[in-house]
Amino acid sequence: SQQGEEDPQALSIQEGENATMNCSYKTSINNLQWYRQNSGRGLVHLILIRSNEREKHSGRLRVTLDTSKKSSSLLITASRAADTASYFCATVPTSGTYKYIFGTGTRLKVLA
Amino acid sequence: GAVVSQHPSRVICKSGTSVKIECRSLDFQATTMFWYRQFPKKSLMLMATSNEGSKATYEQGVEKDKFLINHASLTLSTLTVTSAHPEDSSFYICSARAGGTSAQNEQFFGPGTRLTVL
Repeated sequence: SQQGEEDPQALSIQEGENATMNCSYKTSINNLQWYRQNSGRGLVHLILIRSNEREKHSGRLRVTLDTSKKSSSLLITASRAADTASYFCATVPTSGTYKYIFGTGTRLKVLA
Repeated sequence: GAVVSQHPSRVICKSGTSVKIECRSLDFQATTMFWYRQFPKKSLMLMATSNEGSKATYEQGVEKDKFLINHASLTLSTLTVTSAHPEDSSFYICSARAGGTSAQNEQFFGPGTRLTVL
């Protein structure tokens, strides 16, 4: 399977703490994206990082990309209860098929 | 902009019946649409890629005769689950890509359809 791996599978933290989740993938990529999914709902696009970028910020989100290790991390700072959701990385391989390959996901629970 | 809708959002059907799910790009033309399946607490698994006016390309292990995909126009793709069984119960999500050769290859996701087969 080409599916990426994410760790941890589940994470429970207190409100105000930072949450870090990691994504590893298997092929060369054009870009990597992070999505949030609330229970039973659709995907919300969070951030896209291109293969030639190493770090990107958006509000309380910080994403890093290490193409040599084929890994990425998503940091959510000063977490809130509303951040409780599942987070998925999705890679776009350079193979030219435009397919997204999703990671296994991290279920984040932020306790108030 | 870049809104994708799905209909219905939820459907409950009896075993043996067929169910059609629609995916529409509301404000752009989608040359390619993708269908994903998601089991509870699991990730999205790509089922098939459909290009307007041509046959869908199915991922390994996905039954073509079971999951019929039609992409008849640049704004509409349909997924029909034929002779549905309880094991087909899942969350089905579509996405649409506008086309071109953008390196970003951005897909826009629909809100999903919850299928429950009794």
